[in-house]
Amino acid sequence: AQSVTQLDSQVPVFEEAPVELRCNYSSSVSVYLFWYVQYPNQGLQLLLKYLSGSTLVKGINGFEAEFNKSQTSFHLRKPSVHISDTAEYFCAVGIRDTDKLIFGTGTRLQVFP
Amino acid sequence: ETGVTQTPRHLVMGMTNKKSLKCEQHLGHNAMYWYKQSAKKPLELMFVYSLEERVENNSVPSRFSPECPNSSHLFLHLHTLQPEDSALYLCASSQEGYEGTQYFGPGTRLTVL
Repeated sequence: AQSVTQLDSQVPVFEEAPVELRCNYSSSVSVYLFWYVQYPNQGLQLLLKYLSGSTLVKGINGFEAEFNKSQTSFHLRKPSVHISDTAEYFCAVGIRDTDKLIFGTGTRLQVFP
Repeated sequence: ETGVTQTPRHLVMGMTNKKSLKCEQHLGHNAMYWYKQSAKKPLELMFVYSLEERVENNSVPSRFSPECPNSSHLFLHLHTLQPEDSALYLCASSQEGYEGTQYFGPGTRLTVL
């Protein structure tokens, strides 16, 4: 069975500081990896995804994530956050050859001025 | 993101009412999904439709009834709901067999009184 763990339910950070949101997964089969962002009163928007190839993936809004197979992690990073990055961030595992996504419980990023 | 639309955006209903949620995707996808998002819980996959046929039903109570008349439209019919069914209901779509990337609508905020 597959599972996704987002250890931090909330991450407070000051504007222009760097941030890392952690995601670990468990799977016995090959997977795709995703980060989605949810702004208040909106649906989920795809930030970035890892399918294969380079382990460093760049996404929208200056975010990037690195796939680490040995540590089964896919942490999300941004070198300098803005107030507008305040949102809920979800890590998800997609099982290859299916259309199923398994989501983590989310991390609330709160950026303070 | 206007590729997936949902109506209504907000719905308040009594436990004896019957209502329907509507989802429409304009992305040419052939798979559609209903998710339930409750506070402090991972997204719960409720139903999956692929090529207009239901392929997965994750033990959802019968008071939720999905309908997929064509590849662009998905409905969720609601009747005799309980207060614990209050949540954000998200619709998503994807191209079956292609990476597993799902695109989400803005959601319907449902309140059951």
